[in-house]
Amino acid sequence: GENVEQHPSTLSVQEGDSAVIKCTYSDSASNYFPWYKQELGKRPQLIIDIRSNVGEKKDQRIAVTLNKTAKHFSLHITETQPEDSAVYFCAASKNTGRRALTFGSGTRLQVQP
Amino acid sequence: DVKVTQSSRYLVKRTGEKVFLECVQDMDHENMFWYRQDPGLGLRLIYFSYDVKMKEKGDIPEGYSVSREKKERFSLILESASTNQTSMYLCASSLVNGNSPLHFGNGTRLTVT
Repeated sequence: GENVEQHPSTLSVQEGDSAVIKCTYSDSASNYFPWYKQELGKRPQLIIDIRSNVGEKKDQRIAVTLNKTAKHFSLHITETQPEDSAVYFCAASKNTGRRALTFGSGTRLQVQP
Repeated sequence: DVKVTQSSRYLVKRTGEKVFLECVQDMDHENMFWYRQDPGLGLRLIYFSYDVKMKEKGDIPEGYSVSREKKERFSLILESASTNQTSMYLCASSLVNGNSPLHFGNGTRLTVT
């Protein structure tokens, strides 16, 4: 089955700096790659997603890039703010066979004011 | 807005007890999922369902079963709770299938003593 690896497990940046979280996946049939943000004590919430027919997607300070050949995708957060502090999860799924998201192990991002 | 409601926020049960975790969604979603969240392991899929009375095993189904008698309700059952099932349990639903955004409930933190 699908295996998603996520790095780093923890990341500390200064406010205003950029943060990058990287994920790799194993199943070349995967074609949907969402990112979820989980604040302390709250549910995971979708912040951005990308499908395999697109190489990059942006939404204000957040961007996701996808390299299908290398089977990796990354989350980029620019101009980080303290409210970006949270745990971020990447995930992957496909629209054939088992159509359920497989998640990475998570990255705890700490933005220092 | 999609609402996914888990019946309990916190549960404490004894080893060997039968435990029911209930999840209800109000958006007529076809697909429902149960994940388990543990530090450093991310979200791991236990079971999922694409339709009423239908279920499929995820990555860690051992010790669990599920029931989906109505479209809006998906129950997770621990037949005989064990201490290694102490965890955060997250229910989620999606409109199309696992290849689309998940909407999560607030989670049930289960402690088995």
